Amino acid sequence: EVHLVESGGGLVTPGGSLRLSCAASGFIFSSYTMSWVRQAPGKGLEWVSSISDTSRYIYYEDSVKGRFTISRDNAKTSLYLQMNSLRAEDTAVYYCAKLSVAGTGGAFDVWGQGTMVTVSS
Amino acid sequence: DIQMTQSPSSLSASVGDTVTITCQASQDISNYLSWYQQKPGKAPKLLISDASNLETGVPSRFSGSGSGTDFTFTISSLQPEDVAAYYCQQYDNLPYTFGQGTKLEIK
Repeated sequence: EVHLVESGGGLVTPGGSLRLSCAASGFIFSSYTMSWVRQAPGKGLEWVSSISDTSRYIYYEDSVKGRFTISRDNAKTSLYLQMNSLRAEDTAVYYCAKLSVAGTGGAFDVWGQGTMVTVSS
Repeated sequence: DIQMTQSPSSLSASVGDTVTITCQASQDISNYLSWYQQKPGKAPKLLISDASNLETGVPSRFSGSGSGTDFTFTISSLQPEDVAAYYCQQYDNLPYTFGQGTKLEIK
């Protein structure tokens, strides 16, 4: 069965850092683009970042560019999101999501359960 | 960025009704559109990809149509377990963008 399990969320003060992890199983992790999608409390879904199967192509939403870094370890079937200079508006549930393709033209066909990130003093 | 305008934002219908949600893209996205269901406190679930392709295991009462800029999501014979928020999303261009969501309730 296909599984994505996020970890690493928590409470952090503004300007702080946090590293999210996503452990994947049940599919050939190294063959697919992986992404992070977030959802602020009571709000809709917002794409954050994507990384291609070989890590050659990396994309970010404008508001996180220069602050967040996406990476993956295909040997460990894991996806990561290093979040620095966190702001209150980064408060959200962060979902790890698998794209249905190796490129960018696919839907998010598998989602993790999410991990909550709260940025507050 | 491609803007996705989804309507209505909320909807109340009776069991057995047919429900329709629309999504309009700010530019032509061909059929690169997906629909997700999100139940309270849960992660989103992919229901439809490529505008009309029903994912494996998704009940046939769910359907999607459209291409270009105008898309429709339909639930025929609404069931109590369909209470959820529904989102459209385009994957024609980065950044991927979602509609604002439709909250569906049972009367």
